[in-house]
Order: sequence, then structure tokens, then C-alpha cells
Amino acid sequence: SAVISQKPSRDICQRGTSLTIQCQVDSQVTMMFWYRQQPGQSLTLIATANQGSEATYESGFVIDKFPISRPNLTFSTLTVSNMSPEDSSIYLCSGREGGTDTQYFGPGTRLTVL
Amino acid sequence: QQPVQSPQAVILREGEDAVINCSSSKALYSVHWYRQKHGEAPVFLMILLKGGEQKGHEKISASFNEKKQQSSLYLTASQLSYSGTYFCGTETNFGNEKLTFGTGTRLTIIP
Repeated sequence: SAVISQKPSRDICQRGTSLTIQCQVDSQVTMMFWYRQQPGQSLTLIATANQGSEATYESGFVIDKFPISRPNLTFSTLTVSNMSPEDSSIYLCSGREGGTDTQYFGPGTRLTVL
Repeated sequence: QQPVQSPQAVILREGEDAVINCSSSKALYSVHWYRQKHGEAPVFLMILLKGGEQKGHEKISASFNEKKQQSSLYLTASQLSYSGTYFCGTETNFGNEKLTFGTGTRLTIIP
């Protein structure tokens, strides 16, 4: 099974700044995704990270606010830009194994914006 | 469209059984079940692909109805370690490959 790591694990940021979250998978996955989860709530898909091309965003999420890169099969970054307190949440990276269709999650990045 | 889970929350004593349901308004390609403990990542439990399918083991199993619009997760003789929030993740089309997660069910097991 894939093991996914994220960093940072948590951060406290000031309004108007940006934070880049890194996601590393220990084995090749076919798909990588970024989710957001408010405490006590379900997971909301932000975008699908496509290798070597622009990410595919879900309704309500835009590239200017959440730029995503995936330079290779095992690494992706999510940037939360021009942050406001409403961006405070847990951001989760996820990878899907080809063949088994199993989707694994990283431990998450807990972001607090002041 | 987000699948609806029921119940929203349930409290059980150790050894009791639980059923968690996940319903969609339209037919699904697959259903994935996850358990998430507080402050941790969701952990994959199982995936169901075929209408009428049942899988799992004696303690934790799941079914997918014939119309592929509802799935149920069965927890038998629950243990303290089963506590957490359970989510179903649904895939609507073959090749879509992105999961839409249900509303979640919080399960608390007490001694």
C-alpha cells in the first residue's frame, strides 16, 4: 500500500500570505488529489493533480487561489494563496493506486490563518 | 452530489453491532469505505464495485445493492478500536476516478 507524507503537518499563518504544502508518495500512483476538511466535517475535493500539466479543479476552487503542481508521479504541491481566516482547515493529499483502485491519504496539514 | 450517510452518529457498547448506510440519488460505479480517527488520516477499509456484492470479513463487511445506489457497512461485535468517523466515498462513472465523500457517521464505542 502507498504511504503518503505531507509537510508541514501544521502551520499558523497571517492573513494575506501564502503557504505551500508538499506531498510525497512512496510508490507510483496513477492519480493524486487534494482535499480540504473542516474539523468535524466531510472531505471536499479541491482538485486532481495532473502530472506535468494543469490541475483539474472542482467547482468553487480556482487555480489563482490554489495553484497545484505535480512534476512527477510521486510528488505534488498545493499552495494556498492570499490566505484569509476562511482558509483555516485541514488539507489532505491523496493518491490512488492503479490496478487496485485503492485511494490512500496523507496525514494532513492543519492550517490556521489569523 | 454528496451521498447521504445514516445515522449521523451512534453510540454502542463493546460487543454490539452497527450498520452504517450510504445512499446516492443515482447509480454509482463504486463505493469506498474509510474510517477516520480524530486528528488522523482516513484509513481505507474496502471497495465495492458490483451490484449485489458483499465483501469483508466476519467483523467488518459491506454490501452494495443491486441498483448500485446504496451501500451498507456492517460492524459486528464492535471493539473499542472501531470508534471513529466512517465515510463512504463514491465514484459516479468508470474512469472518473475521483471520490465524492458522504456526510460521515460518527461511531463511539464505550466499554
